[in-house]
Amino acid sequence: DADVTQTPRNRITKTGKRIMLECSQTKGHDRMYWYRQDPGLGLRLIYYSFDVKDINKGEISDGYSVSRQAQAKFSLSLESAIPNQTALYFCATSARQGSYGYTFGSGTRLTVV
Amino acid sequence: KNQVEQSPQSLIILEGKNCTLQCNYTVSPFSNLRWYKQDTGRGPVSLTIMTFSENTKSNGRYTATLDADTKQSSLHITASQLSDSASYICVVSAGTNAGKSTFGDGTTLTVKP
Repeated sequence: DADVTQTPRNRITKTGKRIMLECSQTKGHDRMYWYRQDPGLGLRLIYYSFDVKDINKGEISDGYSVSRQAQAKFSLSLESAIPNQTALYFCATSARQGSYGYTFGSGTRLTVV
Repeated sequence: KNQVEQSPQSLIILEGKNCTLQCNYTVSPFSNLRWYKQDTGRGPVSLTIMTFSENTKSNGRYTATLDADTKQSSLHITASQLSDSASYICVVSAGTNAGKSTFGDGTTLTVKP
């Protein structure tokens, strides 16, 4: 089993619909992140959580919300999806000691039509 | 503003040849620099992690260098293989807070037979 599992892997949804992307991890890491990647561009941080009671906005949080249900679970919601939210979404984890780097999931390809 | 700039944006080389990718950063205070490999449609995978005191680190055919004085890093790939075709991302962290990492936009490497 993968250390960081994202579901679904692919999703097509209609404009205005609410959608949730889920992430679970078996790394035992405290910190979890959601990133967005657009074609030809770098990863941009949407939200991050350093523990279950800690949620922080990243650089592009508008239109998104998150929930940290447990240490191992971190979900991302699009309250009312719009076409420019079509992108590849990655969940990542890291240990409390930042120098060990990130472990990424395989990504969710989201298309909003 | 913390920034990470990678060059070139894209690179095409023949199988068996060597290549070097560059990363310049203005992140402060510097904590560590990481190189990731991202295959198309997949999550990034860590190649190397370097802290301030390290100036060279190898991982098989991948060798990363760090010059903390000039704030530059390079990733050298030796005897390239078709499987090296991917995007290579430089990530720099400030302080001890992994949530403050700054991602470069990546260099897309294509290895041709």
